[in-house]
Amino acid sequence: DTEVTQTPKHLVMGMTNKKSLKCEQHMGHRAMYWYKQKAKKPPELMFVYSYEKLSINESVPSRFSPECPNSSLLNLHLHALQPEDSALYLCASSQEAAGGAYEQYFGPGTRLTVT
Amino acid sequence: AQSVTQPDIHITVSEGASLELRCNYSYGATPYLFWYVQSPGQGLQLLLKYFSGDTLVQGIKGFEAEFKRSQSSFNLRKPSVHWSDAAEYFCAVLNSGGSNYKLTFGKGTLLTVNP
Repeated sequence: DTEVTQTPKHLVMGMTNKKSLKCEQHMGHRAMYWYKQKAKKPPELMFVYSYEKLSINESVPSRFSPECPNSSLLNLHLHALQPEDSALYLCASSQEAAGGAYEQYFGPGTRLTVT
Repeated sequence: AQSVTQPDIHITVSEGASLELRCNYSYGATPYLFWYVQSPGQGLQLLLKYFSGDTLVQGIKGFEAEFKRSQSSFNLRKPSVHWSDAAEYFCAVLNSGGSNYKLTFGKGTLLTVNP
């Protein structure tokens, strides 16, 4: 099973709201990722967690706050977002984040609209 | 820094015709290469990967890709395209330098299939 699940599928939020995106994998992977994808563009890496510790933050604004409660779960907490943050948010996982070549498996994404 | 170039932004083929999507990479060490496919509003699905060994790799859905080090290319091929293959295709290289491995994506090629 190479499934990564994400909830919700769609989210509409106002600029003053607080919401969270959730991601789950049960492949025993120790690395998890958040990507942001704008229309007709490739995914852009936001965060990498390795063994439940944040290992990469690609200079993402603090209104995005990641959390890795355990090795299977990854959250992205959203607060005071801007309309330009509207995008498809993708979660991915891989066996490891470093030390070898590992493929990343992606979830279906959450389509976020900020009004 | 590593980079990936997909020279074709949009390709249109007829159903049943053969397909080749081009990908060129720039990377000093042995590259770890991937092809992903993304249907509209969906996540990325891994089609195939190249880490080492046989330069012709087989993937899912009847796709194959050939790694050519002399041309820094990793082109994706399919002998007979089906209407369901219409999607965005991304080539990616895994940056294996440093303490964290990061995927660098090409800008994507949109495939349209005519009946």
